[in-house]
Amino acid sequence: QITLKESGPTLVKPTQTLTLTCTFSGFSLSTSGEGVGWIRQPPGKALEWLVVIYWDDDKRYSPSLKSRLTITKDSSKNQVVLTMTNMDPVDTATYYCAHRRDLYFDYWGQGTLVTVSS
Amino acid sequence: SYVLTQPPSVSVAPGETARITCGGNNIESRSVHWYQQKPGQAPVVVIYYDSHRPSGIPERFSGSNSGNTATLTFSRVEAGDEADYYCQVWDDSTDHRRVVFGGGTKLTVL
Repeated sequence: QITLKESGPTLVKPTQTLTLTCTFSGFSLSTSGEGVGWIRQPPGKALEWLVVIYWDDDKRYSPSLKSRLTITKDSSKNQVVLTMTNMDPVDTATYYCAHRRDLYFDYWGQGTLVTVSS
Repeated sequence: SYVLTQPPSVSVAPGETARITCGGNNIESRSVHWYQQKPGQAPVVVIYYDSHRPSGIPERFSGSNSGNTATLTFSRVEAGDEADYYCQVWDDSTDHRRVVFGGGTKLTVL
């Protein structure tokens, strides 16, 4: 049974850096083929893919956000950490982490709402 | 960059058939995946690789992909099918390999 859960601040100020942690179980990011992605969704809007990290530490970033995003993994802790710099109110969204299976996401976390406001 | 286009909304009466389209240039050359999202919940994959159903997804849900349009079809729509639906592909057509989501379609059961 694969589960994922996001954790981090619910409120950040403009220009600050956001750090979110995805803690998962049911698979290992040390296993060939495994991957974890981050997807966000502003209130009332569509899903937006951010990044995927693979078992071999390969990373794929959204071109539009690449300069602001960093993803790392700690396979021993079953965690993936996402950082996003220079937060802006337009970054207010629910942030999801999800297990990547081949070319899609088969298990998702519950999501965490991050509000950017002074 | 690759763009997926979905109608903002589709309405259907209970028991009827509903179709949600996902348009993209030569989308038939890509694998399309569909997600259902109900209010306040995380997305759930309902169709993967164009037409495959995960366990637990009703047979009423089906998918197809041809030409420039992929389609998610609901036969005998039920009230519980009301949700937002998103299509998704993996775009490796450029150096920036990335995941692409459609803009989403709200399915309303009248």
